[in-house]
Amino acid sequence: DAGVIQSPRHEVTEMGQEVTLRCKPISGHDYLFWYRQTMMRGLELLIYFNNNVPIDDSGMPEDRFSAKMPNASFSTLKIQPSEPRDSAVYFCAGSDTTSGANVLTFGAGSRLTVL
Amino acid sequence: GEDVEQSLFLSVREGDSSVINCTYTDSSSTYLYWYKQEPGAGLQLLTYIFSNMDMKQDQRLTVLLNKKDKHLSLRIADTQTGDSAIYFCAERYSSASKIIFGSGTRLSIRP
Repeated sequence: DAGVIQSPRHEVTEMGQEVTLRCKPISGHDYLFWYRQTMMRGLELLIYFNNNVPIDDSGMPEDRFSAKMPNASFSTLKIQPSEPRDSAVYFCAGSDTTSGANVLTFGAGSRLTVL
Repeated sequence: GEDVEQSLFLSVREGDSSVINCTYTDSSSTYLYWYKQEPGAGLQLLTYIFSNMDMKQDQRLTVLLNKKDKHLSLRIADTQTGDSAIYFCAERYSSASKIIFGSGTRLSIRP
């Protein structure tokens, strides 16, 4: 298995542009999480899905952020319009709860810079 | 509220033991975790402990859980330069499957 695959790995964009981050989870993982990492705030949970259904989006900063999971093998996190304060590393992680421990497998992250 | 707290930095001498501490908020948390992040990479699981345990040992790693004080610690014996990384504590909330992380402790090793 190739693990959790995120794209793009790096993105530099200008304020006001739309940004779409993508995640392909590990096959069979029934939970998918989106986190954001910054120096100031650490690792924040944005939203998570169970069997493609959003369960808790209370961490999404504002309406400019949206996330979808149209099927078990793909999820997107969209920022529209982007702002400089959105600059961060965005991680996607999946887990298989059948084992009980809900261990997360992380992707390598997408580093976003908004100028 | 939901909060997991850790100190931001720890510096230890090579060969000594490192102890990284964490406090959490949900007294009903079912699992508590330690993850490691190396530069430019995602987080990787180091170890986890179920809430009905007080201690777990895995080679150089020892996890201690004090449920009364909601305190979790990770001890790394014989710390090596390869242990330099950011270490994250995390808890799984009992009421949901959400997993909340602390801010991470940056461990640096001095010769």
